[in-house]
Amino acid sequence: DAKTTQPNSMESNEEEPVHLPCNHSTISGTDYIHWYRQLPSQGPEYVIHGLTSNVNNRMASLAIAEDRKSSTLILHRATLRDAAVYYCILRDVRTSGTYKYIFGTGTRLKVLA
Amino acid sequence: SQTIHQWPATLVQPVGSPLSLECTVEGTSNPNLYWYRQAAGRGLQLLFYSVGIGQISSEVPQNLSASRPQDRQFILSSKKLLLSDSGFYLCAWSPQGARDEQYFGPGTRLTVT
Repeated sequence: DAKTTQPNSMESNEEEPVHLPCNHSTISGTDYIHWYRQLPSQGPEYVIHGLTSNVNNRMASLAIAEDRKSSTLILHRATLRDAAVYYCILRDVRTSGTYKYIFGTGTRLKVLA
Repeated sequence: SQTIHQWPATLVQPVGSPLSLECTVEGTSNPNLYWYRQAAGRGLQLLFYSVGIGQISSEVPQNLSASRPQDRQFILSSKKLLLSDSGFYLCAWSPQGARDEQYFGPGTRLTVT
């Protein structure tokens, strides 16, 4: 199974952009790249996902390298509420049609006021 | 709209006692269902997933079992708890054939003493 590598922790100042990197050098051609975040004592929540092209939504942007071996989650203006653990995940497509996520340990983002 | 419920929210159980955690989903039919465990300071580990009633796939050998007696009900059980079973248990669902996000419940924090 393809795995992801993320820094253990990062810090950002409030109102500034944050770039959260993820390496996935063994990604396969059909693996989607998903990002989730987890606030303390809560379940993870979906942030964004993509396959090859960069993606934008109301929460964040996802920049995917041309060779797909890395990606970056971009929070355009960090707020204190963005402090969480961010997981970069590859969705493993099973022949049965079931999709399994392989969670790593994520990046703990600290936002400084 | 769809909602996912888990109970209890917290649980303290002695070693050797049985366990039953319940997860139910409302507002959708025939979902894929998942059980994850998160040990303290660690990432999420997929324990079980189910694509339909009575269909359970186990991802790791362990002291736990899962059952799906109804379409939108997923139960995690153990006959005899171990100290190592302590953790944050999360249930999640995704639509059948979904190519994007999973939706997580609020979680159950289990402490085995």
